[in-house]
Amino acid sequence: AQTVTQSQPEMSVQEAETVTLSCTYDTSESDYYLFWYKQPPSRQMILVIRQEAYKQQNATENRFSVNFQKAAKSFSLKISDSQLGDAAMYFCAYRSAREGFKTIFGAGTRLFVKA
Amino acid sequence: GAGVSQSPRYKVAKRGQDVALRCDPISGHVSLFWYQQALGQGPEFLTYFQNEAQLDKSGLPSDRFFAERPEGSVSTLKIQRTQQEDSAVYLCASSRMEWGGQETQYFGPGTRLLVL
Repeated sequence: AQTVTQSQPEMSVQEAETVTLSCTYDTSESDYYLFWYKQPPSRQMILVIRQEAYKQQNATENRFSVNFQKAAKSFSLKISDSQLGDAAMYFCAYRSAREGFKTIFGAGTRLFVKA
Repeated sequence: GAGVSQSPRYKVAKRGQDVALRCDPISGHVSLFWYQQALGQGPEFLTYFQNEAQLDKSGLPSDRFFAERPEGSVSTLKIQRTQQEDSAVYLCASSRMEWGGQETQYFGPGTRLLVL
């Protein structure tokens, strides 16, 4: 069974600095999708960034980028120039390309941003 | 509508009571998902609908949980004879097309259920 592990329950970053959130996953499949979701205190979860496993190039979305290491099954999120609005729970998630319905989420990392 | 909406936002139930949680997906969205999020945890998949067809219900924890989407739009998650372990936030998400793996899911704000 696939699993997603986020080993950092909480992280803290100074405003304008850079922070990296870690995620590892376990799967025997070769074709899958990885996601980072943000869940602010209001609880409406939004997609931050997505990576297709067959693409070697790391995805980027403005201040958000990932470091995708397929062999190591690692998928970290880097937030550059952190802003107060980045404070939230961040969830790493996995979805098989073959069994497309089920998304598996990690336990989350709570990010605090200090002014 | 502008986004996925869920009602009620908060529900307190006595143990043994039946509850019904509603999800209004984004208009025209084909796919609809329900997740259960326990305190301090990530969401866990419950069930998936493509239009009115329930294609995957493997995540429903027991036969006390039942979901429907009879007209392919609004969905209801029903929990019968609630137990304390059912206390969680129930999230609904929808996506535009038939599920193709990388489709973006749009989440609702959730219903926080507390069973006393």
